[in-house]
Amino acid sequence: DARVTQTPRHKVTEMGQEVTMRCQPILGHNTVFWYRQTMMQGLELLAYFRNRAPLDDSGMPKDRFSAEMPDATLATLKIQPSEPRDSAVYFCASGPTLVGAGETQYFGPGTRLLVL
Amino acid sequence: AQSVAQPEDQVNVAEGNPLTVKCTYSVSGNPYLFWYVQYPNRGLQFLLKYITGDNLVKGSYGFEAEFNKSQTSFHLKKPSALVSDSALYFCAVRALSNFGNEKLTFGTGTRLTIIP
Repeated sequence: DARVTQTPRHKVTEMGQEVTMRCQPILGHNTVFWYRQTMMQGLELLAYFRNRAPLDDSGMPKDRFSAEMPDATLATLKIQPSEPRDSAVYFCASGPTLVGAGETQYFGPGTRLLVL
Repeated sequence: AQSVAQPEDQVNVAEGNPLTVKCTYSVSGNPYLFWYVQYPNRGLQFLLKYITGDNLVKGSYGFEAEFNKSQTSFHLKKPSALVSDSALYFCAVRALSNFGNEKLTFGTGTRLTIIP
């Protein structure tokens, strides 16, 4: 049963510290998405990649957030420096190529981040 | 721009009764429509999708949804609710016309509570 995995599942840190979240997409999926979920804003798309290339990161604060895919099996989301308002659940999702079809996104369990 | 609206933040249904969770959409072109469910402390799980064809789509756990083009709606339904259906439900849309754009736009979510 293929699944998206995310690490860590929980992270508590202090304001100003760097936070790195990792995602392993389902093998063979070539689109990867990063979402953030908060009570106030709901589910927000931060960035997404196709074939490891960033396609859209317009939802991501550029001054402190960065997203990369060093290889096809790893996506990272970094926050530096972190701020209390970054506290949220961060989800990674992956999907197969969507050309010509409405393919499904498969979500990981999320990283619950608390910045003190 | 594409968007979905879930007009109800909260829906309460007695166990055994039929349930409906509402969703309306706005896209230019033909839509791909999705329903996802989120259980507490979990990532989103795919329920069903409409791409083309029969307007009534059947999905996981006995759920179904009806695509209505004239009303631009895609309501989620189940004939007989279970307590285990209690969760947060998200409607999402992707615009077919945006070729190569895999971005899904999610609604704000509807919390469904099934009362024993």
